[in-house]
Amino acid sequence: GQQLNQSPQSMFIQEGEDVSMNCTSSSIFNTWLWYKQDPGEGPVLLIALYKAGELTSNGRLTAQFGITRKDSFLNISASIPSDVGIYFCAGCLIQGAQKLVFGQGTRLTINP
Amino acid sequence: KAGVTQTPRYLIKTRGQQVTLSCSPISGHRSVSWYQQTPGQGLQFLFEYFSETQRNKGNFPGRFSGRQFSNSRSEMNVSTLELGDSALYLCASSPRGLAVTGELFFGEGSRLTVL
Repeated sequence: GQQLNQSPQSMFIQEGEDVSMNCTSSSIFNTWLWYKQDPGEGPVLLIALYKAGELTSNGRLTAQFGITRKDSFLNISASIPSDVGIYFCAGCLIQGAQKLVFGQGTRLTINP
Repeated sequence: KAGVTQTPRYLIKTRGQQVTLSCSPISGHRSVSWYQQTPGQGLQFLFEYFSETQRNKGNFPGRFSGRQFSNSRSEMNVSTLELGDSALYLCASSPRGLAVTGELFFGEGSRLTVL
């Protein structure tokens, strides 16, 4: 089935550092989304991207929809302790039944 | 506005049993989709219901089934439980469904342990 390759799998950074993570796929998606999941909670939507090349910001978060429609990245600037969690990319398929495919997640740990 | 509510939050079953999980979407949302989350496989799509009809289905065996009621509440059922069914089952709702948007509102999940 379709797969999203998300990297890195985990990150250990210092508070205040910038973070970058990305997702790639062999399939074309018509929508890319980024979710964050805190322990014991369900994922929460951070950013949704609908057009190839689109660059969207949400506070300290910036995400881009790749031109090929096969990739996306998420950047977090000036990380703070509450950024800790697991970040998932997700893509909606362009053909056939609409399903949401998730990446394996990037676990972000911040050292104060 | 109340969020997505899933019950029960935790449950333990033994192999061969069946389980029913419940999801109440955000008021006004007609789409409910279900996901299985495990450390090894990540988040995997099970199925989506919209206005009581199953719209999409993931690659899971027939032991996994669901339904949606006229008030948009949804249930999923897993029969003949296997050890590998141990997972966090997440429900998500959206006003227009996956055919239109991937913007979902997730519940906190039901953690199933199969012994």
